Amino acid sequence: EAGVAQSPRYKIIEKRQSVAFWCNPISGHATLYWYQQILGQGPKLLIQFQNNGVVDDSQLPKDRFSAERLKGVDSTLKIQPAKLEDSAVYLCASSYSGGGNTGELFFGEGSRLTVL
Amino acid sequence: GDSVTQMEGPVTLSEEAFLTINCTYTATGYPSLFWYVQYPGEGLQLLLKATKADDKGSNKGFEATYRKETTSFHLEKGSVQVSDSAVYFCALKARSTGNQFYFGTGTSLTVIP
Repeated sequence: EAGVAQSPRYKIIEKRQSVAFWCNPISGHATLYWYQQILGQGPKLLIQFQNNGVVDDSQLPKDRFSAERLKGVDSTLKIQPAKLEDSAVYLCASSYSGGGNTGELFFGEGSRLTVL
Repeated sequence: GDSVTQMEGPVTLSEEAFLTINCTYTATGYPSLFWYVQYPGEGLQLLLKATKADDKGSNKGFEATYRKETTSFHLEKGSVQVSDSAVYFCALKARSTGNQFYFGTGTSLTVIP
């Protein structure tokens, strides 16, 4: 079974530039999450999708971050314009929505962003 | 709100030493509890989980028991190896908030030969 795919693995940009990250979840996983992981911290949820609908985006900085999952499969997270404090690893995860609340998250390898 | 508090690191142990990483949680209702591990340069991987009180999760020699009375899910291993060096995250999945996951800050473990 293929895992969660993310690209690019690494990105270096200047502040005020834009960047986009892509994620393809495990086939059949209806729920998709984007997390931000700053060095030395735990993952922080940015947005959660159920199919192509947003379940929670309360911690997404909407003035600069946007995310979409138009066909309920793959997803794109965009940052425009980037700030220095956006330097982090952006993790995509997916989970199977059946089985109540016991299903675990499956993570991609992450996209490491450095903003100079 | 729901949250996880995890023992701060870093932790350095000699090979074959006993490991405990403490984790306590605050949650409304009955969450599922997880330990994830992150090896250098990799994404998070599920290490073990427990879905109800008194359940014990185990994998690769690691164990953790879901203790509702103490709201804890401490990670233990009897004899660590160099290959266990990684960052360990405690997490809960909350039924009360749309199955959101809440992660601890992570505990870095280094095992020296």
